[in-house]
Amino acid sequence: DTGVSQNPRHKITKRGQNVTFRCDPISEHNRLYWYRQTLGQGPEFLTYFQNEAQLEKSRLLSDRFSAERPKGSFSTLEIQRTEQGDSAMYLCASSLNWQPQHFGDGTRLSIL
Amino acid sequence: GESVGLHLPTLSVQEGDNSIINCAYSNSASDYFIWYKQESGKGPQFIIDIRSNMDKRQGQRVTVLLNKTVKHLSLQIAATQPGDSAVYFCAEINSGGGADGLTFGKGTHLIIQP
Repeated sequence: DTGVSQNPRHKITKRGQNVTFRCDPISEHNRLYWYRQTLGQGPEFLTYFQNEAQLEKSRLLSDRFSAERPKGSFSTLEIQRTEQGDSAMYLCASSLNWQPQHFGDGTRLSIL
Repeated sequence: GESVGLHLPTLSVQEGDNSIINCAYSNSASDYFIWYKQESGKGPQFIIDIRSNMDKRQGQRVTVLLNKTVKHLSLQIAATQPGDSAVYFCAEINSGGGADGLTFGKGTHLIIQP
């Protein structure tokens, strides 16, 4: 399968812990996006990379959220000191320039 | 872009009938629109897109219509099948506006009745 891959699919953690999610985009795609989706809502844009450069991060929900794409391939999204409100589905998408974004199946985060 | 959304939260149609899902958007600067289908436990799946220089685009069993005058977008699905049951989202972006991601609406849940 050459689609967008996200790991883990599910993450359960205690409040206050740090979590990290990984996204492997479609190999030839230069753009990578992170979104958050809560129940009954559409995805909400968080941040975006073109190759290794993070071009938009003002939409990250707080300074507890950070993302990296060190070599312009896979990306990680980290949430520090998790809170109950962080429980959601975290989606990654990739695209080749302005072609349609293709999404992975997400990482579902549950905070105990 | 905050008002991208759908008029109906749930749409129920008979198998074999055509369905129409509507979307209103408010950002007149948006120039690229995409319809996604999302099944339970999965990520959004690309269906069809349209740019603002077009008013209609057809795919396999799907047609997207764009009316820029009233800022309205619709997705028509012909001869609906059980596998079409899902939540459908429209999304918009201003491709000349920088590096923003897509703005999604809340979605319409399409239910196919046997």
